[in-house]
Formats: sequence, structure tokens, C-alpha cells
Amino acid sequence: EVQLVESGGGLVQPGGSLRLTCAASGFTFSSYSMNWVRQAPGKGLEWVSYISSSSSTMYYADSVKGRVSISRDNAKNLLYLQMNSLRADDTAVYYCARENTVVGVWYFDYWGQGSLVTVSS
Amino acid sequence: QSVLTQPPSASGTPGQRVTISCSGSSYNIGSNTVNWYQQLPGTAPKLLIYSNNHWPSGVPDRFSGSKSGTSASLAISGLRSEDEADYYCAAWDDSLNGYVFGSGTKVTVL
Repeated sequence: EVQLVESGGGLVQPGGSLRLTCAASGFTFSSYSMNWVRQAPGKGLEWVSYISSSSSTMYYADSVKGRVSISRDNAKNLLYLQMNSLRADDTAVYYCARENTVVGVWYFDYWGQGSLVTVSS
Repeated sequence: QSVLTQPPSASGTPGQRVTISCSGSSYNIGSNTVNWYQQLPGTAPKLLIYSNNHWPSGVPDRFSGSKSGTSASLAISGLRSEDEADYYCAAWDDSLNGYVFGSGTKVTVL
């Protein structure tokens, strides 16, 4: 059974840093690209970042570019999101999502349960 | 402000058909496939439709997707109370070099 479990969320002051972790199990983690998607309280979904299976390619949303870094450890089946210079508008539930791709087709087929990040003084 | 535009709400009575639109541009829907996600209250999103009109395993065929030009739509036929949820379209955007989601549509079963 595919499982994605996020951890590392919590309360952080504006300007602070936090690292989220997503533990993957039930599939060959090293074969899949992964993503982070967030959802501010009462708002819609916002894609945050992408990393390819081998870590050769990363993409970031403009809203987090320069402040956020995605990485992975295929030996440990872990996905990370390092967030720096956090702002109040970064407050959200952060989901990790597995990306399934066939030529020209992509979709997020499995999602974690989410980890809440609250940025407040 | 979301790159993909959806109506904020849609509603119907049990058994009715409800359609949700998703409007984009040539950079996203116009040149890439569209996926749809369902988010039940208090839960993580779930893949509902991928590659415009394909069902993942376990999704009933009451849900169907279509795409034409720079717009896509999701139809729910035989509406049920358990379909009350938020629905999001999504696509890759070639100009932003990232994925974009729709603003979300809340479906209410009257």
C-alpha cells in the first residue's frame, strides 16, 4: 500500500526556518518524481515545488522561489522541503504528492495527509 | 489569484448532473493535459480524472472529464450526497514552468 507521511510542521516566527519531511513507503520511491502542494486555511490548492526521481531537475513556484529548497534521499525514501525566510502567507497545510507520468501525461496519484505550518509571532 | 478559473460553487439535487468548468490559456490547458482532484471536507485531495478524461482505478464513471481548446470541464452525473466536496482542475503551465491549480469549486448536494 502506497503511503506518504509528512512531518516537521509547526509554529514558527516570521523570518524563521522549517524543514518538512515526507516518508514514503509501499512503492519504489526512487522511480517517481515528487511534489509539494500547499493549502492556506480556507483557500485552494497551490503547487509549491517539484523534484525529479534522480534529483536532476527541480522547479519552484514563483511565490517561494529563493526561499524554499526541495530535496530527496532515495536511500531512505524521504522527501524534504527546506523553507527559509518564512512569512505569514506561507501558513498552510503542506502535502507531499507522488507524481505518476507517462509520455506527455502526468498526475498526482497519491497524497499524504498534510503537515500544518503556521507562521506567526 | 489562480491561473485556472473555476466557478466558486455548483449545486444540484440527488440524481442530477452537475458540470464544472475550468478556463485556462494556451500555456496550460491549451497545450497540456488536465487532471481533476476531489477534496472531501477535512481530507487530502484525491485524484479523480487524469489526462483530460481517464479514470484512476476505483473512481466511478459517474465522473467524466473533457477538454476543448483552453477549457476543460468535469461532469458529475447521478449526483450523490457523498459527492459534496471541493473540486480542483490542474495542468502544467509552460510559461510558468510549474503546475497550476484551478481556484476550486464547492459542490453542494441540495
